[in-house]
Amino acid sequence: NAGVTQTPKFRVLKTGQSMTLLCAQDMNHEYMYWYRQDPGMGLRLIHYSVGEGTTAKGEVPDGYNVSRLKKQNFLLGLESAAPSQTSVYFCAIGLASYEQYFGPGTRLTVT
Amino acid sequence: LAKTTQPISMDSYEGQEVNITCSHNNIATNDYITWYQQFPSQGPRFIIQGYKTKVTNEVASLFIPADRKSSTLSLPRVSLSDTAVYYCLVGPPIMTTDSWGKFQFGAGTQVVVTP
Repeated sequence: NAGVTQTPKFRVLKTGQSMTLLCAQDMNHEYMYWYRQDPGMGLRLIHYSVGEGTTAKGEVPDGYNVSRLKKQNFLLGLESAAPSQTSVYFCAIGLASYEQYFGPGTRLTVT
Repeated sequence: LAKTTQPISMDSYEGQEVNITCSHNNIATNDYITWYQQFPSQGPRFIIQGYKTKVTNEVASLFIPADRKSSTLSLPRVSLSDTAVYYCLVGPPIMTTDSWGKFQFGAGTQVVVTP
């Protein structure tokens, strides 16, 4: 997965709980992204970052927050999990938008 | 807002060539065309990208006509391991707050290769 790790791999949350997903890279890429993928659907961009200390909203940012305090790490937070956030979350890195390298994913279930 | 159109599914036999066409009528002058492959329970994998004419690598070829309103991903002599979902994306080379919406994964094309 091109030097992209995601932690944790699986997680089950109860409605209202919070958690943070960690994406770490060892390739020194400027761009980092968080996507979610629901069954049978393509990926949807949640938030992205074009460099350390910067973040921006994607297509489906509501209910999520992100931080990029260090270049190699991109954190995705769920402050109050909802069942609608049950999904597989992928982190990606890249030098430019059209060539991204994805992590293995985090499978999150909210009950 | 859908930016690209590609078939929902395609079936093939081992050893055949598979061609997946993606329509992108509203492609902008500075947009690139990118294809990804996704196996079940894995993240997408970058396959190939191009701007015009033809691009070839060890995995696939990408054909782009002069008007750039469509593109075709060609997988030569597919094997069972090529069974996957293939995504076509169109977007600028650098993502900005104004351009992220152009770089979107659609539903993709499910390619099933059988013996």
